[in-house]
Amino acid sequence: AQTVTQSQPEMSVQEAETVTLSCTYDTSENNYYLFWYKQPPSRQMILVIRQEAYKQQNATENRFSVNFQKAAKSFSLKISDSQLGDTAMYFCAWAGAGSYQLTFGKGTKLSVIP
Amino acid sequence: DGGITQSPKYLFRKEGQNVTLSCEQNLNHDAMYWYRQDPGQGLRLIYYSQIVNDFQKGDIAEGYSVSREKKESFPLTVTSAQKNPTAFYLCASSPRTSGGLTDTQYFGPGTRLTVL
Repeated sequence: AQTVTQSQPEMSVQEAETVTLSCTYDTSENNYYLFWYKQPPSRQMILVIRQEAYKQQNATENRFSVNFQKAAKSFSLKISDSQLGDTAMYFCAWAGAGSYQLTFGKGTKLSVIP
Repeated sequence: DGGITQSPKYLFRKEGQNVTLSCEQNLNHDAMYWYRQDPGQGLRLIYYSQIVNDFQKGDIAEGYSVSREKKESFPLTVTSAQKNPTAFYLCASSPRTSGGLTDTQYFGPGTRLTVL
């Protein structure tokens, strides 16, 4: 079975600083997709960023970027210039190509401190 | 506005009663999903549906049932057989592609179910 591990249950960062959230996964598949979702206190799940495993280039979305290391099965999220609105639970998720099922990690609670 | 709606936001039921959670989307997505979220846990898939009148069990389908009579609607029934139904339930949808999941799942605001 595929597993996704987020080893940091909680993290904090000062406003305007940079923080990196870790995610590792276990799979024997070669083609798959990785996601970071954000869940603020409202509990709405919001897509932050997505990466296709066949792409060498790391995905970026404004202040959010990933460090995708396929051989190491690692998919970390970097948040630059942290803002108070970034305070949320962050979930890493994996999906095999051709699969409709997302496998989620248990999440990292990020607090941005003013 | 296009999106996914779930109602109600909070739901209380007595033990032993069946309860149905609503999920509607106007994104014209083919695929829809139900997840359960417990404190300190990620999301776990209950059921999903790729097209109308078809659905498959996820990892934790026992004690739940679904129907997909319309493309835009995917209601979830929590039956009395579900041992621990108190949880936060999230519905999602995504476009269907020929290769399976290659596009993003979009989530509704969720329903908090409390069984007394």
